[in-house]
Amino acid sequence: RKEVEQDPGPFNVPEGATVAFNCTYSNSASQSFFWYRQDCRKEPKLLMSVYSSGNEDGRFTAQLNRASQYISLLIRDSKLSDSATYLCVVSPLKAAGNKLTFGGGTRVLVKP
Amino acid sequence: GAVVSQHPSRVICKSGTSVKIECRSLDFQATTMFWYRQFPKKSLMLMATSNEGSKATYEQGVEKDKFLINHASLTLSTLTVTSAHPEDSSFYICSARDSTEAKNIQYFGAGTRLSVL
Repeated sequence: RKEVEQDPGPFNVPEGATVAFNCTYSNSASQSFFWYRQDCRKEPKLLMSVYSSGNEDGRFTAQLNRASQYISLLIRDSKLSDSATYLCVVSPLKAAGNKLTFGGGTRVLVKP
Repeated sequence: GAVVSQHPSRVICKSGTSVKIECRSLDFQATTMFWYRQFPKKSLMLMATSNEGSKATYEQGVEKDKFLINHASLTLSTLTVTSAHPEDSSFYICSARDSTEAKNIQYFGAGTRLSVL
């Protein structure tokens, strides 16, 4: 089983619609969670950190469910520019060396 | 966010040559930097953790003599792909963690696309 698993998609989303997808992680001791965005042939860029209480940043909402070991990302009012691959990233205890574990990414295509 | 500069962005080289990639944290100090490799349509795979002033820690299956890492200062880590072969062709990305931040947020360089002929 992969440490971090994501539905690869693609999720084809009409412009203006809402899309949501999850990511599951296997290490229950994971401490930090992030969503990164990666455009084609570019580096990943931090979209948002994910907090236990859930957090929102504009049109983006992230949730963490420790009991079921998954995090989610919801995008409201999708824009064409939201088309990208969204990477779920998990970090274990600091003692493990601050390594990040990346999911395989979920591809989102927003269409007019 | 913090800025990480990676150079060069694109390298085309002949088989057998060595390629050096630089990763610099421009506005913060990074005691730890990370080197990843990404194949097309695949996720990032951590190759090694670069530690300032000490030896790098390599992930299982990554040859340390093949991928030489040097982290001589708090703002610079280098990855040298020695005797490159076509199978080393990939997208190499570095990241750096701001040591002063509590959360393990890493900032990525723009990546280096290596093509070995």
